[in-house]
Amino acid sequence: DAGVIQSPRHEVTEMGQEVTLRCKPISGHNSLFWYRQTMMRGLELLIYFNNNVPIDDSGMPEDRFSAKMPNASFSTLKIQPSEPRDSAVYFCASSPWTGEQFFGPGTRLTVL
Amino acid sequence: DQQVKQNSPSLSVQEGRISILNCDYTNSMFDYFLWYKKYPAEGPTFLISISSIKDKNEDGRFTVFLNKSAKHLSLHIVPSQPGDSAVYFCAARGGGSQGNLIFGKGTKLSVKP
Repeated sequence: DAGVIQSPRHEVTEMGQEVTLRCKPISGHNSLFWYRQTMMRGLELLIYFNNNVPIDDSGMPEDRFSAKMPNASFSTLKIQPSEPRDSAVYFCASSPWTGEQFFGPGTRLTVL
Repeated sequence: DQQVKQNSPSLSVQEGRISILNCDYTNSMFDYFLWYKKYPAEGPTFLISISSIKDKNEDGRFTVFLNKSAKHLSLHIVPSQPGDSAVYFCAARGGGSQGNLIFGKGTKLSVKP
């Protein structure tokens, strides 16, 4: 298996622009998680889905952030409009019923 | 307030010696604990886990110990190797097998040849 796939790996954009991060979970996994990693706050859970349904989005910082999972093999995290403080590494992870989460390589977002 | 704490931001160990990484937690409802390893520019990689009904789990050079009364867990790496140099994250999960993980801020381990 290719593991969790994230795209793009790097994104540089200007403040106010829309940013869309993409994730393909491991086939057969039924939970998907979006995390953000910063120096100050470490790894923070933003939202997670079970069987494509959002279960907990309490970590989503603001209404500017939204996430979707239209099917079992694809999820997006969108930031609109983006701000410099959104600069971070965003990780997607998926897990089977056993619970261990497998992380993608991350997307490094820089908002100028 | 941090529910999972890794109080040592860094640790340096000589190759061949034991590395001990520590983690404390505050929520007694956590029922599953995991350790992840992270290299630069990569995502965290699952290393080893332990259920709250156990006090020890071993996998090769890696052993995790859980002390529920102290709300403390530790990861032992014996013998340490230079390739073990990475950031190690402790994570905890409460209730249900697919709830979200709460991560510590990580400890950067450096194993010197």
